[in-house]
Amino acid sequence: GIQVEQSPPDLILQEGANSTLRCNFSDSVNNLQWFHQNPWGQLINLFYIPSGTKQNGRLSATTVATERYSLLYISSSQTTDSGVYFCAVEAYNNNDMRFGAGTRLTVKP
Amino acid sequence: KAGVTQTPRYLIKTRGQQVTLSCSPISGHRSVSWYQQTPGQGLQFLFEYFSETQRNKGNFPGRFSGRQFSNSRSEMNVSTLELGDSALYLCASSPLRNTEAFFGQGTRLTVV
Repeated sequence: GIQVEQSPPDLILQEGANSTLRCNFSDSVNNLQWFHQNPWGQLINLFYIPSGTKQNGRLSATTVATERYSLLYISSSQTTDSGVYFCAVEAYNNNDMRFGAGTRLTVKP
Repeated sequence: KAGVTQTPRYLIKTRGQQVTLSCSPISGHRSVSWYQQTPGQGLQFLFEYFSETQRNKGNFPGRFSGRQFSNSRSEMNVSTLELGDSALYLCASSPLRNTEAFFGQGTRLTVV
């Protein structure tokens, strides 16, 4: 099945810094989403982005489907951005969502 | 519009028992998927239901089963619980298959 790799696994930033999280996938996809898991476990939708670029406030994402990767940008990070960020994909030949192992972001004041 | 609702939020069961978890999708959504999250294995796909039919199943033993009702609500059942079934179980709903998924708050199951 499709493989999803996220990097870096851990990231520690000072408040105000910018960061880039990466998601590589091993096959063509028709669905790619970025999530932030809150401390209570709920996955919060950030972007639905099978291709192209989207922006939402301080967050933006870009997926280059032909090269099989996606990037999540966080600018001017805040302590509330801390948590685990997951990339999840659905391959064209399968309808189950495969998750990466996540990037654990810690933003220090 | 109400989000995805999972009940119960927390559950403690004894080995050998069985458990049923419930998921009410966003109104109008017809696809429901279930995931298991553990520290060791991460987030793993359990199964997907669409129009009351199981469309896809992950690599889990037959003790894990589910169903979907005509109103799109879904239940998953785990029989003969094992300690390793302790996990956060997440449900996601989508308007159709292969569209944006929205997750509930999860049910945290502890097997003792």
